[in-house]
Amino acid sequence: AQTVTQSQPEMSVQEAETVTLSCTYDTSESDYYLFWYKQPPSRQMILVIRQEAYKQQNATENRFSVNFQKAAKSFSLKISDSQLGDAAMYFCAYRSALMYSGGGADGLTFGKGTHLIIQP
Amino acid sequence: GAVVSQHPSWVICKSGTSVKIECRSLDFQATTMFWYRQFPKQSLMLMATSNEGSKATYEQGVEKDKFLINHASLTLSTLTVTSAHPEDSSFYICSARGPVVGVNTEAFFGQGTRLTVV
Repeated sequence: AQTVTQSQPEMSVQEAETVTLSCTYDTSESDYYLFWYKQPPSRQMILVIRQEAYKQQNATENRFSVNFQKAAKSFSLKISDSQLGDAAMYFCAYRSALMYSGGGADGLTFGKGTHLIIQP
Repeated sequence: GAVVSQHPSWVICKSGTSVKIECRSLDFQATTMFWYRQFPKQSLMLMATSNEGSKATYEQGVEKDKFLINHASLTLSTLTVTSAHPEDSSFYICSARGPVVGVNTEAFFGQGTRLTVV
């Protein structure tokens, strides 16, 4: 079974500065997907960024970028120019690429989350 | 992204009664739907996966007779919590995914349902 670990229960950053959220995972699979989701107080899950394991290039989405280290099984999220609206819980998630294997293989396995606080 | 609507947003029910939560994909056909549970200040835990027209597949430790999942159409899945007890109080979130195209099809989340059993 896969596991996802977020070792930072809470992080705080000054507005306009950069913050990095850590995530490590454990899997025996070679092909999979990694995600960062944002959950604001409304509790709606919002996809922030996605990385395919077979791609060496790190994914970027505007102010959000990842540092994907496959050998180290590490997948950190960097938020540049932090904004007040970035304040939320951030969850790292793993999904197997074995789409047709049944069971929960293509559901998401989440880390425990990091609460991000933005200081004005 | 596509829209997934979950209803109700919150519900309070008496212990021993059953409550149904609906998850609808509004602008796409959801061949697969997932149900998650989130306890306060905790992560989301996958409860079950359902494919349209098939029986749901439950994760280890999830009672299939207590959490009944129906996915009878390509736009609707329901989760029924039967004989609810206070320990079933939680936040339930569904996500829906369309037909797999290539190897990378995203699942979209509903807004969640807060269930309180009194």
